[in-house]
This record gives sequence, structure tokens and C-alpha cells, in this order.
Amino acid sequence: EAQVTQNPRYLITVTGKKLTVTCSQNMNHEYMSWYRQDPGLGLRQIYYSMNVEVTDKGDVPEGYKVSRKEKRNFPLILESPSPNQTSLYFCASSLSGTGLTYEQYFGPGTRLTVT
Amino acid sequence: GNSVTQMEGPVTLSEEAFLTINCTYTATGYPSLFWYVQYPGEGLQLLLKATKADDKGSNKGFEATYRKETTSFHLEKGSVQVSDSAVYFCALSDRGGYQKVTFGTGTKLQVIP
Repeated sequence: EAQVTQNPRYLITVTGKKLTVTCSQNMNHEYMSWYRQDPGLGLRQIYYSMNVEVTDKGDVPEGYKVSRKEKRNFPLILESPSPNQTSLYFCASSLSGTGLTYEQYFGPGTRLTVT
Repeated sequence: GNSVTQMEGPVTLSEEAFLTINCTYTATGYPSLFWYVQYPGEGLQLLLKATKADDKGSNKGFEATYRKETTSFHLEKGSVQVSDSAVYFCALSDRGGYQKVTFGTGTKLQVIP
């Protein structure tokens, strides 16, 4: 089954404790992206990757890191989480990063709470 | 920059009612337009899309027409069902160097029996 998986689905952590949210897709997609979803703000892009070893900032990259060492994986790293990073996070992938019509496939989401 | 504006929710309708969710956009050039749907506890999934002016996207009884003159992409369905209860996101994809997608804030639809 074609899918994007994220782990963990739920995470409660404390300020300053480093964490990683994993994302994996099995569709051989080139393009992957991380979004955060906050009430009243919709989805905002954090980072994206056009292909292996190619990543760039989205609209709200502060406080996050990413890496793309393999095509299928795109982990999101919070080196020192803060309460304002409490949010619902989505990973997405797409066949290509340059086509206008390629739909994005989304993972099920990770709900992060930072206390 | 690009932006997408959706009507605020929540929208509550009775089963078999007609649905319209308004979406207008601001973009340079000629973007592609999308509607994504998010069911409770799930990620977003593509509902329909349109890539050029006057195109009509349709799926599962939902329709939306790309109106360049009014910069709109309103979502419609003639008869909603309880199973249509979800959050609906309008989005655009820019003709930039990569697939930059801008999302609206989402409109929550609740359909009651």
C-alpha cells in the first residue's frame, strides 16, 4: 500500500529535550515536506526536500532541522523544543518538486506537546 | 506573496443540503488550485484539482471551477452526507522553482442527519 508513515503519532516532552519525528514514504517520491498545523493558521511549511541531500527552508523553519540521506526518509529534528512548537505536524511527499499538478500525499500526523 | 482565503467555519448543514465553501486566492502568474480534505484523526488527502483557467475539478460529487477573472475556486456539492464531515483546505501551487504550496486556513464542515 502506498503511504507516508510518521512516528510517533503522539509525543509529550519537556522544554529543551531533543526529539526526532520520523517520516518515511514507499512511493519513490523525490519531493518531501514538513508542515505544522495550528488553529486559525492552516498548514505552514517548515522545510522541504527536492531530493536526496537537497533541502531548503519553508515559511517557518526556526527551531527545526531536517536531513535527507535516503530518498524514502525525511526526519524532522527539534534540537531544543519550546512550548511554541506545540502543534500538529504533517509530513508529505510528492512525485516531483517541480510539477504543478502533482498531488501531495500526507502522513497521519504527529501531535507534539512541549511543556 | 501568495495567499489563499477561505470562508470561516464551522459550517453546519443537514444531510442532503447544498454545500458551498468559498475560496479566493492571490498569486503571481497562473497557479494550480487544489482542494484537500482532512477527515478526523487523519492526514490531508487530495479531493480535486484544476490546473488552468475554466478547468473544473470533480471527485466524489464535489466540484470546483478555476475562475481566473474572480481569482476563485469555490467548492460545491449538491447533496452532502454525514460522511462528508471533515475539514476542507483550499490550496495553490505556484509556478516557482519548486512546488511551493500555499494552504488556506481550512473550513470545518459538520453534516447532521
